[in-house]
This record gives sequence, C-alpha cells and structure tokens, in this order.
Amino acid sequence: GIQVEQSPPDLILQEGANSTLRCNFSDSVNNLQWFHQNPWGQLINLFYIPSGTKQNGRLSATTVATERYSLLYISSSQTTDSGVYFCAVPPGAGSYQLTFGKGTKLSVIP
Amino acid sequence: DAGVIQSPRHEVTEMGQEVTLRCKPISGHNSLFWYRQTMMRGLELLIYFNNNVPIDDSGMPEDRFSAKMPNASFSTLKIQPSEPRDSAVYFCASSPRGFGTGGYTFGSGTRLTVV
Repeated sequence: GIQVEQSPPDLILQEGANSTLRCNFSDSVNNLQWFHQNPWGQLINLFYIPSGTKQNGRLSATTVATERYSLLYISSSQTTDSGVYFCAVPPGAGSYQLTFGKGTKLSVIP
Repeated sequence: DAGVIQSPRHEVTEMGQEVTLRCKPISGHNSLFWYRQTMMRGLELLIYFNNNVPIDDSGMPEDRFSAKMPNASFSTLKIQPSEPRDSAVYFCASSPRGFGTGGYTFGSGTRLTVV
C-alpha cells in the first residue's frame, strides 16, 4: 500500500514564528487532506487539497501531486496551534478511505 | 449542522463485557468510516460504509468486532467480548462523497478503557 511520511515528527516553536510541515507519499493520489488533532483529541479537517494551493487564515497548504508531496504552512503561530498535524491519502487507486501518516507534533510556547 | 455525533464520550468496562459505540453522521453524507487510534498504531481504519453498505471491513481486527449501519443516520461498532488491548479512542467520520473527494468530518471520539 501507499506509504505516507511526515516530517518533522516533533516541532517546538516560539509563539509568532512560522513553520512548514511536510508530507511525502509514495504513489499518485487523487485526494489529500490535512488534519489537526488538538490537545483535547479532536480531529479537525484543515484542507482537502489533492493539488494546488489553498489558504485559510494563517494556514496554507500546497500539494505538488507530480512530485508526491504536500506542505502545510503555519504563519505567526499561536499556542492554540499546538497539537498533532496529520496528512492523509487514499491507500490505493480507487480507494475511498484515507491512510494517515504518523503526524507532526507541534508545540507552540509563549 | 451539529457535526458527527458519537456516544458515549468515555466508556470504562470490564474485560469480557459487550461494548457498543454509536455514531450519527452528518445528514446528506453518504460515506461513514470507523477509525481506531492508539499510541502504538496511530489512526487505523476499521470499516467503511457507503450508502449504508459495508464496503471494506478488512481493518476490523477480529471477529469480536462488528459494525452495522441500519440507516443513513446511524451506525454502531460493537465489541463482544471486550479485551484490555481494545482500549483506544474510536472515531467515526463521515464524508459527503465516497470516491476520494470531499473532506472528512470526524466526531469527537469515544475513549474506551477495558480493565
């Protein structure tokens, strides 16, 4: 099945700093999503982004499908951005479900 | 919209007991997914329904696990008998379109502890 690798596994930022999280995947995909799991365990869908670039406030994401990677940018980080960020893709062609990476754990300190 | 609703939020049960987790997807979403999250294995898909029909249950760990979706607005995940290694957070998610499009919406999860 498809392999999903996220980097870095852990990241500590000072409040106000910017960061880039990376997701590499081993096969072509027609669906890619970024999720944020907050410290209370809730999983929030940030972006559905199989290709191109999207922005939502301080967050933006870019997927380059031909090169099999996606980037999540967080600007002017806030303590509420802390948590784990997951990238997820379908496990194979024609698959409906998502396979999740192991995540990047982000800690934003005041 | 109230989002995906799961119940209970927390469940503590003794080994050997039956456990039933419940999920109400977002109205109009035709795909429903059950995931399990543990520290060791991360997020794992257990089963996926499309239009109330189970499409892929290859992630269900063993016969002790079963899932049903009797109608478009309700699904259950049952564990009988439960074991301590079943302790995890179980998430339900729904999606508006089945084939690789649209975003998932997750419920708040059920934290299951089997003692």
